Amino acid sequence: DAKTTQPNSMESNEEEPVHLPCNHSTISGTDYIHWYRQLPSQGPEYVIHGLTSNVNNRMASLAIAEDRKSSTLILHRATLRDAAVYYCILRDGYSSASKIIFGSGTRLSIRP
Amino acid sequence: GAVVSQHPSRVICKSGTSVKIECRSLDFQATTMFWYRQFPKQSLMLMATSNEGSKATYEQGVEKDKFLINHASLTLSTLTVTSAHPEDSSFYICSASSHLGDEQFFGPGTRLTVL
Repeated sequence: DAKTTQPNSMESNEEEPVHLPCNHSTISGTDYIHWYRQLPSQGPEYVIHGLTSNVNNRMASLAIAEDRKSSTLILHRATLRDAAVYYCILRDGYSSASKIIFGSGTRLSIRP
Repeated sequence: GAVVSQHPSRVICKSGTSVKIECRSLDFQATTMFWYRQFPKQSLMLMATSNEGSKATYEQGVEKDKFLINHASLTLSTLTVTSAHPEDSSFYICSASSHLGDEQFFGPGTRLTVL
């Protein structure tokens, strides 16, 4: 499974944008880039995913480098409820049974 | 989005007993379900992949006779921790994927404490 590299932790101020980076230099052509987040004592929650083009949804934006070897999750206006561990994951897009293997993720703290 | 539930949300049991955890997809049919374990301050570790109507596929190092998985229908998978010991105390999380496959939907987790 292709691996991802994320900073262990990041801090941001409330109501400011947050850019969470992820490196995935060994990504294959069929790998989608997925982001999940996990709040304390809860199961992971889907945030966003993409293949090549940048993606936007109500939660976040995903900026994907042209060579697909890195991506950035953007929270446009962080709130205290966004404090969580954010996981960047590569998943084979051709199979609904493809596994999600979690790395260590980035623990995001939000300062009030 | 789709909803995955787990039951129970937390369980405390004595060493040597078996514990069954249920994972249900509430509004979609899950052809594939996954079981994870998470120790404090650590990431999720995939234990096994469960396909409806067939045997589960276990990850390396996970004992299939200790962690019994049954996926008898398209909406239900169960994980039974047999002869539980204190080292099995953990947060167990399931996820489900429909045939469309774009997203995996995660359950809220089950916290198991073995005394």
